[in-house]
Amino acid sequence: AQKVTQAQTEISVVEKEDVTLDCVYETRDTTYYLFWYKQPPSGELVFLIRRNSFDEQNEISGRYSWNFQKSTSSFNFTITASQVVDSAVYFCALSAYTGRRALTFGSGTRLQVQP
Amino acid sequence: GAVVSQHPSWVICKSGTSVKIECRSLDFQATTMFWYRQFPKQSLMLMATSNEGSKATYEQGVEKDKFLINHASLTLSTLTVTSAHPEDSSFYICSARGDAESSSYEQYFGPGTRLTVT
Repeated sequence: AQKVTQAQTEISVVEKEDVTLDCVYETRDTTYYLFWYKQPPSGELVFLIRRNSFDEQNEISGRYSWNFQKSTSSFNFTITASQVVDSAVYFCALSAYTGRRALTFGSGTRLQVQP
Repeated sequence: GAVVSQHPSWVICKSGTSVKIECRSLDFQATTMFWYRQFPKQSLMLMATSNEGSKATYEQGVEKDKFLINHASLTLSTLTVTSAHPEDSSFYICSARGDAESSSYEQYFGPGTRLTVT
């Protein structure tokens, strides 16, 4: 069975602060995908990143960066110099690498960025 | 990226009536579509997986007679909530996935449908 844990229910920061959202996962698969999605108040999921389990290279995209540590089963997400527009719920998710590939989502972290 | 639409975006219905939600892949053929449900301030939970031309596979605890899923074509899947009750009020999100040739197995999410049962 797969499981994704996002222990931080809600985080509040002031604009321009850096913030890291934690994600820990469990799976018996040797290969799998990890994802991060943003869900603004409108409800529509915004895809942020997909990472293969065999690619442990960290990734940076603008103010966003992701740290994948297979040894600790973690896939953390950092927003640098946060902005008010970053306020949303962020979900970490996991899927198998083959077969059906349905996503198992974490419980989400609500990020509030105060001006 | 590919586009997935859902219709309607929101719907209010009376208890006991049925509601149909459509999920369409607009620019690729979706061999597999997933239906998720999200209660307020909670995570997305997979309800069922549908493959074109075959019966849907439901997750444990999801009533197949209540949530009818039809994946009639490679671009359309429908979810019908039958005899809706207030506890069915939720945000329903579909996602569509093509084969390797059409979408590299990527999964694309629709914008969601907010159902309120009064």
